[in-house]
Amino acid sequence: AQSVTQPDIHITVSEGASLELRCNYSYGATPYLFWYVQSPGQGLQLLLKYFSGDTLVQGIKGFEAEFKRSQSSFNLRKPSVHWSDAAEYFCAVGADNNDMRFGAGTRLTVKP
Amino acid sequence: GAVVSQHPSRVICKSGTSVKIECRSLDFQATTMFWYRQFPKQSLMLMATSNEGSKATYEQGVEKDKFLINHASLTLSTLTVTSAHPEDSSFYICSARNQPYEQYFGPGTRLTVT
Repeated sequence: AQSVTQPDIHITVSEGASLELRCNYSYGATPYLFWYVQSPGQGLQLLLKYFSGDTLVQGIKGFEAEFKRSQSSFNLRKPSVHWSDAAEYFCAVGADNNDMRFGAGTRLTVKP
Repeated sequence: GAVVSQHPSRVICKSGTSVKIECRSLDFQATTMFWYRQFPKQSLMLMATSNEGSKATYEQGVEKDKFLINHASLTLSTLTVTSAHPEDSSFYICSARNQPYEQYFGPGTRLTVT
């Protein structure tokens, strides 16, 4: 079965600084990878996804992620963080049985 | 497109009562819907998968008699929490899918059992 690890529970960055959120997955075949963002008390918003093709994926709100098969990683990046980016970020992996598993999440705090 | 709604967004009920949460796909037909629960500051845990017209498949440890799932049509799935207790208080999120690997999430329902 597939699984996802987000090693960082909480990250604090200054507004305007760059951001990288880590995600490692475990799955025997080619995974389908997603990043979601969740504001407090809200549902999930899809930032970006990777199914195949170009391993550098562009998403909404200026986010991008890179799929690295050799490292089993799908890290999320943003060159310049805005205060409105403060939220919980979830990495997820989908499998051939169409199930989806989520990482534990990384809470992002943005300092002014 | 691909909007999923949930109703209600918040519900408070007394211990021992039952609560029904609806999940609707508004602009597409969902062959499969998923129900997740999320405790504060935790990740989403898949509870069950439901396919239209058939019985839901529950994840290990999820009581199927307590969490009744009905997927009566291609646009509606319901989750009924029966004989709710305070430990059932949680954030319940549904998602819907009309093609492989792509799930669209609802805004969630906050259940508080007093």
